[in-house]
Amino acid sequence: DAGVIQSPRHEVTEMGQEVTLRCKPISGHNSLFWYRQTMMRGLELLIYFNNNVPIDDSGMPEDRFSAKMPNASFSTLKIQPSEPRDSAVYFCASSLTENTEAFFGQGTRLTVV
Amino acid sequence: LAKTTQPISMDSYEGQEVNITCSHNNIATNDYITWYQQFPSQGPRFIIQGYKTKVTNEVASLFIPADRKSSTLSLPRVSLSDTAVYYCLVETPLVFGKGTRLSVIA
Repeated sequence: DAGVIQSPRHEVTEMGQEVTLRCKPISGHNSLFWYRQTMMRGLELLIYFNNNVPIDDSGMPEDRFSAKMPNASFSTLKIQPSEPRDSAVYFCASSLTENTEAFFGQGTRLTVV
Repeated sequence: LAKTTQPISMDSYEGQEVNITCSHNNIATNDYITWYQQFPSQGPRFIIQGYKTKVTNEVASLFIPADRKSSTLSLPRVSLSDTAVYYCLVETPLVFGKGTRLSVIA
């Protein structure tokens, strides 16, 4: 398996634009997590899914953020409209269950100017 | 209130054993203790997990006392490539604290 695949690896966008980050989890994994990492706030859990169902989205900063998991092999994190303070590295991770070893993708470095 | 507390940073020379201790006074009965490693520009990577006593794998050892209120990650004979941030976690799903930044010096 190629591991968790995220795209794009880098994204530069202007303030106000819509941004969509994509994630393909490891096949057979039932849990998927979205994290955001900044120097100031560290690694923050934004949302996680079990069997494609969102379980806890309390970490989503505000209504501008939304996440979907239409099937077991794909998830998106959307920011609309984007703001400079959204600049961060966004990681997607998957695991067999929510309390087993999590495998992280390489991350998407988002810069909003 | 943070569930884990660990030193912000540590320095070590190559070839030494490094022990990073994490406090988790409020650990729940069904919580496991998990350690992750993160290199710059990469996502965290699982190192080791345990519930009690001692766990060892090819990378590290994890020591957990009987009261489970703390744990110690032991890295034998570190090299420059072990320079990274090490996270101790007890929550499910995974909630990361600030971690310990380990710098290995030649």
